Amino acid sequence: TQLLEQSPQFLSIQEGENLTVYCNSSSVFSSLQWYRQEPGEGPVLLVTVVTGGEVKKLKRLTFQFGDARKDSSLHITAAQPGDTGLYLCAGELDSSYKLIFGSGTRLLVRP
Amino acid sequence: DVKVTQSSRYLVKRTGEKVFLECVQDMDHENMFWYRQDPGLGLRLIYFSYDVKMKEKGDIPEGYSVSREKKERFSLILESASTNQTSMYLCASSPREGRNEQFFGPGTRLTVL
Repeated sequence: TQLLEQSPQFLSIQEGENLTVYCNSSSVFSSLQWYRQEPGEGPVLLVTVVTGGEVKKLKRLTFQFGDARKDSSLHITAAQPGDTGLYLCAGELDSSYKLIFGSGTRLLVRP
Repeated sequence: DVKVTQSSRYLVKRTGEKVFLECVQDMDHENMFWYRQDPGLGLRLIYFSYDVKMKEKGDIPEGYSVSREKKERFSLILESASTNQTSMYLCASSPREGRNEQFFGPGTRLTVL
């Protein structure tokens, strides 16, 4: 059962452009995490959002958790080639050791 | 620098072979996980362990087993490898306390011929 839908699946943009990646679910999560995975490597945690409506900034990346804690977005300002990678959202369900991962958004930033 | 290491980056095996994938973490984490990653399907949980000798089935445990004899080591076993088990296998660990923020190894790309 796919509980987390990510969109778009693929994104190819020019350096300097802005973009937004979405992560949606019908389930309520106690927290939501965003990871980035580069080719040949494992995912690396970028941020965790916990409170409904929370906004976190990491340099040019802005993460938002929906008010109802069912969805999240990642906005990148002035994308750079170093932002290229697979972005994964992952939701934590209450009383569970498991994370539910989205299918990922593959981003290519062209110089 | 904290680390999760996996025994092999690339592995090629034949159908029917028994395959062992090893994962070691140096962060004293209680939780350890095995995922497989396939294009368009994201990460799917095979098994996880929340303590030594404890294991729980994930979403796709069929054809796999695991072993956790020591806190730092979590092994994934394919009893009789099949071609549909060709995939990227990722190991992760997380502390018991907190938000289950996971640290991943670099992955093992397994090809079963």
